[in-house]
Amino acid sequence: DARVTQTPRHKVTEMGQEVTMRCQPILGHNTVFWYRQTMMQGLELLAYFRNRAPLDDSGMPKDRFSAEMPDATLATLKIQPSEPRDSAVYFCASGLGGRTTGELFFGEGSRLTVL
Amino acid sequence: AQKITQTQPGMFVQEKEAVTLDCTYDTSDPSYGLFWYKQPSSGEMIFLIYQGSYDQQNATEGRYSLNFQKARKSANLVISASQLGDSAMYFCAMREGPSNFGNEKLTFGTGTRLTIIP
Repeated sequence: DARVTQTPRHKVTEMGQEVTMRCQPILGHNTVFWYRQTMMQGLELLAYFRNRAPLDDSGMPKDRFSAEMPDATLATLKIQPSEPRDSAVYFCASGLGGRTTGELFFGEGSRLTVL
Repeated sequence: AQKITQTQPGMFVQEKEAVTLDCTYDTSDPSYGLFWYKQPSSGEMIFLIYQGSYDQQNATEGRYSLNFQKARKSANLVISASQLGDSAMYFCAMREGPSNFGNEKLTFGTGTRLTIIP
């Protein structure tokens, strides 16, 4: 059963610390997305890759956030330094670009708490 | 302006009844896709159903159907014969443009929390 895998599932850290979240997209998928979910803002797109190339990171605070795809099986989202307002659930999703339907498949999320 | 609007923050429905979750959207692109996702209390996002803007018929997937009214820009999710396991958050989402290079991102609504009452 193919699925998107995210680590860690839960992370508690102190303000100022670096946080790295990892995602393994479904094998063969060529699009990868990072979304952030909060009660106030709902689901926001942070970054979007196609064939490992970044296409859209306009929703990501550039001063502290960075997203990369070192290879086709790994996407990372890094926050440095972290702040309490970064507390949220971070979802990675992957899809097969160019399909008629184009649904995204989500991981279980990484719940981040910054104290 | 909000691209996806879900006006029902919460709904309570008796088990076995049908339920309609509202979604309206805003786009000037003639080609777009509409999606519904379910998020149970465990947190994962589960894809339920898809409707393309050029699809002539309303999409159906088991107990889920999408009531697509293009002129009104609405894409309501209908769940027939609701079950206790249907209790969850439901999100409507839209892809603007055809599903090809650069158009694959989804914009989500704020969601509707559905509670099924035994």
